[in-house]
Amino acid sequence: AQKITQTQPGMFVQEKEAVTLDCTYDTSDPSYGLFWYKQPSSGEMIFLIYQGSYDQQNATEGRYSLNFQKARKSANLVISASQLGDSAMYFCAMREGNYGGSQGNLIFGKGTKLSVKP
Amino acid sequence: DAGVTQSPTHLIKTRGQHVTLRCSPISGHKSVSWYQQVLGQGPQFIFQYYEKEERGRGNFPDRFSARQFPNYSSELNVNALLLGDSALYLCASKQTLYTDTQYFGPGTRLTVL
Repeated sequence: AQKITQTQPGMFVQEKEAVTLDCTYDTSDPSYGLFWYKQPSSGEMIFLIYQGSYDQQNATEGRYSLNFQKARKSANLVISASQLGDSAMYFCAMREGNYGGSQGNLIFGKGTKLSVKP
Repeated sequence: DAGVTQSPTHLIKTRGQHVTLRCSPISGHKSVSWYQQVLGQGPQFIFQYYEKEERGRGNFPDRFSARQFPNYSSELNVNALLLGDSALYLCASKQTLYTDTQYFGPGTRLTVL
């Protein structure tokens, strides 16, 4: 079973509008972390936002917010006021369990390609 | 501060050859991880090193090996290259084993012919 599911291969959004990118995850571990990364065509993975499983409030970083619904096992990324430079691949990732070992590293989804239209 | 750096940027090899990829972490970061990203997929974890010791290994064959040096830089080695090894190889660093956020370098794009 996939640990991280991103069901939207591609999304379009009008410049200056908000957009939500979906991510669901699967884990039985009570301690985990959820991440969103942006990957422009250049290839570098750019960290956007992090949510810990025990965090009470949804994470926010500037125009990015993470809509964390623990019971539904979803961690959707919301980008407000889209800009042309937001066009890129977006990856949701999870760190399961304790740090160190294979579990301390990230499991990625397949990504969503976001295109911002002028 | 400089980010994670990787070299070379691009590399073309033929089947059966060996390749070495290099990574320098962000200054002060002691943990380095390697990921493989094939076209159209998300990155897959290969190795994690912390304080020069291997602390995690993903589901990759023994042809893949790595090491970390006293200055925390790292090398990823791949022997007996296969066509399927063609991918973007990403290096990520974080401050300690117990830090959450990893920061990625620009990657090395390997093409195996």
